[in-house]
Amino acid sequence: DAEITQSPRHKITETGRQVTLACHQTWNHNNMFWYRQDLGHGLRLIHYSYGVQDTNKGEVSDGYSVSRSNTEDLPLTLESAASSQTSVYFCASSEFAGGVAAGSYEQYFGPGTRLTVT
Amino acid sequence: LAKTTQPISMDSYEGQEVNITCSHNNIATNDYITWYQQFPSQGPRFIIQGYKTKVTNEVASLFIPADRKSSTLSLPRVSLSDTAVYYCLVVGVRYSTLTFGKGTMLLVSP
Repeated sequence: DAEITQSPRHKITETGRQVTLACHQTWNHNNMFWYRQDLGHGLRLIHYSYGVQDTNKGEVSDGYSVSRSNTEDLPLTLESAASSQTSVYFCASSEFAGGVAAGSYEQYFGPGTRLTVT
Repeated sequence: LAKTTQPISMDSYEGQEVNITCSHNNIATNDYITWYQQFPSQGPRFIIQGYKTKVTNEVASLFIPADRKSSTLSLPRVSLSDTAVYYCLVVGVRYSTLTFGKGTMLLVSP
């Protein structure tokens, strides 16, 4: 069965270190997304990608970067981790991006990565 | 940019119908409304999508008035397993808009 996985599931790192969170999907979806989830804020979009070599900034992109070298993976990098980036991170993918024809905007979410920056 | 507002929490009992309303006053013409369910330590799971009027699937209904400034997720005859956080998400074409609400914690009691 197709799936979306994230690794690691838990990570503790120190302030200032570079951290990369992996996201891998086997749905063959073109669209992939990274969100962070914090108490009181719900889910907020960090970056998203429509396909290979395409990346776009979301609402809270400062301090984060992504790259898309293939369809299956969208790794999220924290260039210099800060305590404010302690959060739960979710990756998601979807097939449809909108247009003239109707379609489903359903996003398939991974299980999340809990990141703690000390 | 569509901003979404939901109640923080709701309580219900098994067997009752639950209606959760989301306000999205600045929704754009081509935006869609989607709803997700999230259990603790899991990623959100898609429930339903709509553009206008009413949409129904095997688990829920979505009511959207003509002005589209709000939407109501209706869960018929809830059970204990429906205890979760429910999010509305406004989605624009090519994800030009992707605005999650802060979620509604639904607690279903026996």
